[in-house]
Amino acid sequence: DADVTQTPRNRITKTGKRIMLECSQTKGHDRMYWYRQDPGLGLRLIYYSFDVKDINKGEISDGYSVSRQAQAKFSLSLESAIPNQTALYFCATQDGGNDEQFFGPGTRLTVL
Amino acid sequence: RKEVEQDPGPFNVPEGATVAFNCTYSNSASQSFFWYRQDCRKEPKLLMSVYSSGNEDGRFTAQLNRASQYISLLIRDSKLSDSATYLCVVNNYGGSQGNLIFGKGTKLSVKP
Repeated sequence: DADVTQTPRNRITKTGKRIMLECSQTKGHDRMYWYRQDPGLGLRLIYYSFDVKDINKGEISDGYSVSRQAQAKFSLSLESAIPNQTALYFCATQDGGNDEQFFGPGTRLTVL
Repeated sequence: RKEVEQDPGPFNVPEGATVAFNCTYSNSASQSFFWYRQDCRKEPKLLMSVYSSGNEDGRFTAQLNRASQYISLLIRDSKLSDSATYLCVVNNYGGSQGNLIFGKGTKLSVKP
């Protein structure tokens, strides 16, 4: 079984809809991250969390919100989706004592 | 100046060739350095960490030059399966945007 899972894997939605992307991990890591990836722009950090009570904005947090429901779960919400939020979204985890990050398989989101 | 810069490529090489990628980073306080590999539409995965003394893993050799803030990856005897995008990654020690900064990647295509 995968250590970091994301649901859904693909989603097509319409402008203005609320969308939630979910991430779960079995690695026991405290740190979790949400990134988006666009062609030519690389990975950009949206939000990150160092533990259940710690949430931090990343480089591009506008239009997004997150919830750290438990150590193992970190969800990303788009309150009112817009077309320029069409992207590949990755969740990642990290052990606090080690810099390596482990990524989920990604969610491909299309906003029409 | 961008935080982690890479030549986007693509590097098109024949099987068996030796190819080198370079990366520069702007945060002189960075302590950890990595190369990640990303296949098309897949998640990034750690290829190797980069140590000050340089390190080798089979056909792959990574070098770090702290004075020049420069990281390299050398791939010898290229295989078709090496075709992917290679991401240079640096920890953002002392920074405010999460923990790791990802370069936009260098695309490698190995041809028969």
